[in-house]
Amino acid sequence: GESVGLHLPTLSVQEGDNSIINCAYSNSASDYFIWYKQESGKGPQFIIDIRSNMDKRQGQRVTVLLNKTVKHLSLQIAATQPGDSAVYFCAEISYNQGGKLIFGQGTELSVKP
Amino acid sequence: DVKVTQSSRYLVKRTGEKVFLECVQDMDHENMFWYRQDPGLGLRLIYFSYDVKMKEKGDIPEGYSVSREKKERFSLILESASTNQTSMYLCASRSGLAGRWDEQFFGPGTRLTVL
Repeated sequence: GESVGLHLPTLSVQEGDNSIINCAYSNSASDYFIWYKQESGKGPQFIIDIRSNMDKRQGQRVTVLLNKTVKHLSLQIAATQPGDSAVYFCAEISYNQGGKLIFGQGTELSVKP
Repeated sequence: DVKVTQSSRYLVKRTGEKVFLECVQDMDHENMFWYRQDPGLGLRLIYFSYDVKMKEKGDIPEGYSVSREKKERFSLILESASTNQTSMYLCASRSGLAGRWDEQFFGPGTRLTVL
C-alpha cells in the first residue's frame, strides 16, 4: 500500500542553526502535503502545507520543498530555537483516495542550547 | 481560541473492560476523527464522522466503534479492551471536506494502557 516515511527518526541541532527534516512519499498521485509539529504532551499542530503543483512554499522561519521527481518532501527551519524541539510529521493527501491523511512516522528534533 | 478536548489524558484499564474515550470540539466542525499513534507507525485513522450520526471506518477499525450523537462530541468505544490497544489516542476535527487543512485541530491525546 501507499506510505509516507521519514529518512531520519532523530535530529539534533545547535540553537541558531538551520534544520532540515526529510520525508519520502510513495504515492505519486498525492495532491497535497502537510507538515505537523507535535510537542511533548500535545496533539499535532499544523505548520505549513504545499500543493502538488508547487515546489516551494515559505512561512515564518519555515520552508517546505517538494521534489515530485524523487517523491521527496523537506521541512527547513531557519535559526532553530529551543521551542522548535518536537516531533515533526509529514502527511500526504490523495483526493482520489477519499482525501484521508496518511502520516509518516515522525522525526524528533532536539535543539541544543 | 479553538479547542478540541479529550476527556482523559491518561487512562489505565484491564483486559476485557469496555472503554469510552470522549472528544469534544467547540468549533461547530462537521468532521471529526479518531487516530491512534504508536512508535514507528505514526498516526493511523480508526474512524471518522462527516456529520451527526454518521460514521465511516478508517484504516484500522477492528476492535473499535464510535458514536456521534451530537455535532460537538465524538466518542471512541473499545467494546472489550485488549493489550494491543494500549496506545495514544488522538481526536481531531475539521470544518468540512472542502475545508482547509490548516483548520484541522487535534486534541491533546489520551494515553491508554490496557493491563
